[in-house]
Amino acid sequence: EAQVTQNPRYLITVTGKKLTVTCSQNMNHEYMSWYRQDPGLGLRQIYYSMNVEVTDKGDVPEGYKVSRKEKRNFPLILESPSPNQTSLYFCASSLGPKRYEQYFGPGTRLTVT
Amino acid sequence: KQEVTQIPAALSVPEGENLVLNCSFTDSAIYNLQWFRQDPGKGLTSLLLIQSSQREQTSGRLNASLDKSSGRSTLYIAASQPGDSATYLCAVDQDFGNEKLTFGTGTRLTIIP
Repeated sequence: EAQVTQNPRYLITVTGKKLTVTCSQNMNHEYMSWYRQDPGLGLRQIYYSMNVEVTDKGDVPEGYKVSRKEKRNFPLILESPSPNQTSLYFCASSLGPKRYEQYFGPGTRLTVT
Repeated sequence: KQEVTQIPAALSVPEGENLVLNCSFTDSAIYNLQWFRQDPGKGLTSLLLIQSSQREQTSGRLNASLDKSSGRSTLYIAASQPGDSATYLCAVDQDFGNEKLTFGTGTRLTIIP
């Protein structure tokens, strides 16, 4: 089954404790990205990747890091989480630029206390 | 800067009725527009993707239209069912720049049995 998976689905952590949210897709998609969803603000892009070893900032990259060492994986790293990073996070992937629909993972609900 | 608006934020409709959800965007230089469905606690499911050169797309009981020059899209749902209850999001991809979707904040649809 074609899908985007994220782990963990739920995470409660404390300020400053480094964490990684994994994202994996099995569709051989080149493009992957991370979004966060906050009430009243909608979904906003954090980082995106056009291919292996190619990543760039989205609209709200502060406090986040990403890496793309393999085509299928695109982890999101929070080196020192803060309460304002409490949010619902989605990973997305697509076959190529512009023309193709984006597929989203099930989301990771992160709470930073 | 692109802004996407969805009004109303919430809508309740009796089962069996046809309904229209609205999406407007401020910058008409879009490459495509995508409609998504989001169920509580779950990820986004792509419903329809309309390229900027298209006027509409259909999938089953769903029909999405696009008027690029006026910055509007509508999602028409025929013969609504309780299972259609969800939040519906529209998102646009710009005609330039990176692979990023700009989302509206969604319309929460409730179908009343």
